[in-house]
Amino acid sequence: GESVGLHLPTLSVQEGDNSIINCAYSNSASDYFIWYKQESGKGPQFIIDIRSNMDKRQGQRVTVLLNKTVKHLSLQIAATQPGDSAVYFCAERLLGGGPLVFGKGTRLSVIA
Amino acid sequence: SAVISQKPSRDICQRGTSLTIQCQVDSQVTMMFWYRQQPGQSLTLIATANQGSEATYESGFVIDKFPISRPNLTFSTLTVSNMSPEDSSIYLCSVARTGWSSTDTQYFGPGTRLTVL
Repeated sequence: GESVGLHLPTLSVQEGDNSIINCAYSNSASDYFIWYKQESGKGPQFIIDIRSNMDKRQGQRVTVLLNKTVKHLSLQIAATQPGDSAVYFCAERLLGGGPLVFGKGTRLSVIA
Repeated sequence: SAVISQKPSRDICQRGTSLTIQCQVDSQVTMMFWYRQQPGQSLTLIATANQGSEATYESGFVIDKFPISRPNLTFSTLTVSNMSPEDSSIYLCSVARTGWSSTDTQYFGPGTRLTVL
């Protein structure tokens, strides 16, 4: 079947290591950010979100960091597992609302 | 969260024909969107489906090519008209439950994988 992310940048990590996926967002007026995980043949799945009034937010095994000064977002995955292999997208939304605008995406490949 | 289904899940179509994609949500939602994901690319917003009025299209997308319906708060359709091979993509339905709030999470359906020959 079709494969998403054939030409995307790839991050390869060893199983059990921590992963860091980076995203540069485009608009300094963006107020809300989401990370999505997209497995092959599926739609994007919500992972974690963060508002612009925060620098860091933690979930289960995941942490999102926001640096508004340089318009940079990162997703940290602790103890990466084979099931984490997927394409990861960041998305932003402007203050006041509107549909999400997506970044380019990164393919995470976990080596067992 | 919201449970979103799309039909068909995939299709192979001939050039010049049209395909209508359906999106069904398990509960009422305020906002529904249609995205396109071309092979190896990120997601691009096609339009916002508005209940009871014409959809709002993004730059580069027009109603004649991508007519959209939204008859109620749980259902929408996207038609890809007069298809060409360049329309081969994954088409994704997305919803936001409560409205145009800046912190309203968007959820996605599984996508419709379209191949145009």
